[in-house]
Amino acid sequence: DSGVTQTPKHLITATGQRVTLRCSPRSGDLSVYWYQQSLDQGLQFLIQYYNGEERAKGNILERFSAQQFPDLHSELNLSSLELGDSALYFCASSVKSSGGQDTQYFGPGTRLTVL
Amino acid sequence: AQSVTQPDIHITVSEGASLELRCNYSYGATPYLFWYVQSPGQGLQLLLKYFSGDTLVQGIKGFEAEFKRSQSSFNLRKPSVHWSDAAEYFCAVAYSGTYKYIFGTGTRLKVLA
Repeated sequence: DSGVTQTPKHLITATGQRVTLRCSPRSGDLSVYWYQQSLDQGLQFLIQYYNGEERAKGNILERFSAQQFPDLHSELNLSSLELGDSALYFCASSVKSSGGQDTQYFGPGTRLTVL
Repeated sequence: AQSVTQPDIHITVSEGASLELRCNYSYGATPYLFWYVQSPGQGLQLLLKYFSGDTLVQGIKGFEAEFKRSQSSFNLRKPSVHWSDAAEYFCAVAYSGTYKYIFGTGTRLKVLA
């Protein structure tokens, strides 16, 4: 158990809908990262928040957004869902704001299925 | 562009046999290297990491990895595989001042009884 929690574990929804994925980082960690794992793209970095502020963006679609709240939990919002958005979404957390020597610990993921 | 290559998509070994999973990274700067394991339906668990110092690093579950700068490699090894090691293994690299990990495509390990 990494100490990172994600809810829900599974989510099934229809095209065009909007969903929210939630992540609670490890105690003491200030950074939250979101990744998407799909069969065709592998593990892709989406976005990072550090202490409530957006720190970096990766391959995140404009239909997706995220935020980190004062209690440091984070939410990833996915809207106008398409079939291709079906994937496993991971949250990771770390103590600091930059990569390199800052180890990221991953949650169990949320599996999103868009029908 | 920065990239990580795991050339073996699938590997099958017999229980008790030794294991080596290959990982190569593309960028020239000093990398920080990681191996994660993902069991079916589970998240990513950190096996080991290399930041600096001794190029042979020990991890959990009896795994070790060796950083070879001249070969841009960070191969994962285990002397004797157990059936419970069947999973998918991901190599990742990060660089100083960057925010993200770059992951390889993964190697799926199957263990024969």
